[in-house]
Amino acid sequence: EPEVTQTPSHQVTQMGQEVILRCVPISNHLYFYWYRQILGQKVEFLVSFYNNEISEKSEIFDDQFSVERPDGSNFTLKIRSTKLEDSAMYFCASSGLFNEQFFGPGTRLTVL
Amino acid sequence: QKEVEQNSGPLSVPEGAIASLNCTYSDRGSQSFFWYRQYSGKSPELIMFIYSNGDKEDGRFTAQLNKASQYVSLLIRDSQPSDSATYLCAVSRNAGGTSYGKLTFGQGTILTVHP
Repeated sequence: EPEVTQTPSHQVTQMGQEVILRCVPISNHLYFYWYRQILGQKVEFLVSFYNNEISEKSEIFDDQFSVERPDGSNFTLKIRSTKLEDSAMYFCASSGLFNEQFFGPGTRLTVL
Repeated sequence: QKEVEQNSGPLSVPEGAIASLNCTYSDRGSQSFFWYRQYSGKSPELIMFIYSNGDKEDGRFTAQLNKASQYVSLLIRDSQPSDSATYLCAVSRNAGGTSYGKLTFGQGTILTVHP
């Protein structure tokens, strides 16, 4: 069964460093998303992406964040200068015909 | 502020019982509704989705939607200890049949099924 994959599973970085989180969405899906979940809190929407451009973004998704689809399979989230409060699980998702969104296993980002 | 509200629980039911999970939402423009299961430390796993008022059944799971009351629920029949997890309700403004729309999640309800 097709699934969304993410790498790395865990990323530890120093405050102020740049990180890139990678995702491979389900191959025939056209809409891609990033969400995050701070420990003990709700899953929060960050950004959606379609046809090589951002469709919608949340207030969280400020200038420190960017997304890219560098080739036909990968979808990346870049955080330019990480802050302590960026520590969270980051989930990539892609959606099918009825907006049913399938989530990847997540990347746990720890900012020290 | 568009909110999705769930009773955080924990909800405890005996094995074999019916577990009933509830969710209310504030955005009347919401069009599609999703239930996810999340085990501790894992990602949300889609259980089912519903667009139309009424019931939708899939195996041991039944989703119920009442748009007038802005209420959606999930029933789990014959609950098993492996069903113990956090259940997330999510809503989207996209119209059914389209393939786009951010999900707004509730806090989740912790379900414990005891043998």
